Amino acid sequence: GAGVSQSPSNKVTEKGKDVELRCDPISGHTALYWYRQRLGQGLEFLIYFQGNSAPDKSGLPSDRFSAERTGESVSTLTIQRTQQEDSAVYLCASSAGQGLGGTGELFFGEGSRLTVL
Amino acid sequence: AQSVTQLGSHVSVSEGALVLLRCNYSSSVPPYLFWYVQYPNQGLQLLLKYTSAATLVKGINGFEAEFKKSETSFHLTKPSAHMSDAAEYFCAVSGNSGSARQLTFGSGTQLTVLP
Repeated sequence: GAGVSQSPSNKVTEKGKDVELRCDPISGHTALYWYRQRLGQGLEFLIYFQGNSAPDKSGLPSDRFSAERTGESVSTLTIQRTQQEDSAVYLCASSAGQGLGGTGELFFGEGSRLTVL
Repeated sequence: AQSVTQLGSHVSVSEGALVLLRCNYSSSVPPYLFWYVQYPNQGLQLLLKYTSAATLVKGINGFEAEFKKSETSFHLTKPSAHMSDAAEYFCAVSGNSGSARQLTFGSGTQLTVLP
């Protein structure tokens, strides 16, 4: 597609359930990022994929969070045993490279709004 | 270590008035600085970026920002607000030669434009 696509756009779940969020990056973009945006706060880095390199998982808040990406295509972010504090908008972004100074601009999806009851 | 502070979570201006959104940063290395805009129900979009070239940076939709090292600021301005400028604006900083992995965002400023 023309832009970064995320699904679902909205997800309401009960505490303790698992959820899976999907991100379809721009075709050809080697880098993919997941961020979390809590109400009234800035974006919080979660995880970064670059090509076939090992992902940078240093931003994942707990072992309930995991993410996968196959090659340079779709990524899924999984949250197990959801808690109320997981409620947030989860944003995915992709870029053509690592550096932002040149052509490595980040392109964001519209986000997946997660509400944990 | 790096951080971003956006002063004012909500700013209201009248249509045609000056827009000024404040951003102060801290960075232990020469920073790359960015402003992103998020319109309702849309993803973040790059407005402009500073990458150590000219200190006055012009972006899309008539916005510009000036890098002031002495003040550690990167305020966003627009001479005349339009109704279509209503959105949330995020300032971000990246050290380490502009690595997106090191991008730190501010908490955002919601801009309201009054008729």
